[in-house]
Amino acid sequence: GENVEQHPSTLSVQEGDSAVIKCTYSDSASNYFPWYKQELGKGPQLIIDIRSNVGEKKDQRIAVTLNKTAKHFSLHITETQPEDSAVYFCAASKATGNQFYFGTGTSLTVIP
Amino acid sequence: GAVVSQHPSWVICKSGTSVKIECRSLDFQATTMFWYRQFPKQSLMLMATSNEGSKATYEQGVEKDKFLINHASLTLSTLTVTSAHPEDSSFYICSAAQGTVYGYTFGSGTRLTVV
Repeated sequence: GENVEQHPSTLSVQEGDSAVIKCTYSDSASNYFPWYKQELGKGPQLIIDIRSNVGEKKDQRIAVTLNKTAKHFSLHITETQPEDSAVYFCAASKATGNQFYFGTGTSLTVIP
Repeated sequence: GAVVSQHPSWVICKSGTSVKIECRSLDFQATTMFWYRQFPKQSLMLMATSNEGSKATYEQGVEKDKFLINHASLTLSTLTVTSAHPEDSSFYICSAAQGTVYGYTFGSGTRLTVV
């Protein structure tokens, strides 16, 4: 089965700096990679996703990159703000079944 | 956009009682719903996949007789924790998929505390 690893587990950055979270996956058949933001006591919210036919996707301050050969993908948040503080999860999925395999999460703290 | 409503948001129950958690897709029909369990500061662990009109598929190690899942309609799935014990205390989250759409939406979660 799929194994998704995520690093770092915790990350603290100064407001305005960039944050990068990295994930690796094991199953080359995975072709969809979403990122979720989870605030305390709430369900995860999709913030950005990327499919295997694309190498990079950007949405304002958030970007995701994918390296299919190396089987890793990363989340980049620029100009971080205190409200970006949350736990971020990466996930991997195949085209069929829609079952997601989640990373272990990264607790991001943006220091004002 | 797609909205998934989960109810209740929190519940406290006594040991030995059963608790039902509802997951509804409000603006789309969900052919597949997923139930996750999340312990504090840990990732989401898939418990089961439920397909409308058929039996749920449980992940290895999840007791199907303890965690009853019913997906009776395209907009509603329920998870019933039967004979709850303190070790069942956790954060339960559902998500719903609309057809073969890759990205699916999560509910807001249910904090279950068994005393």
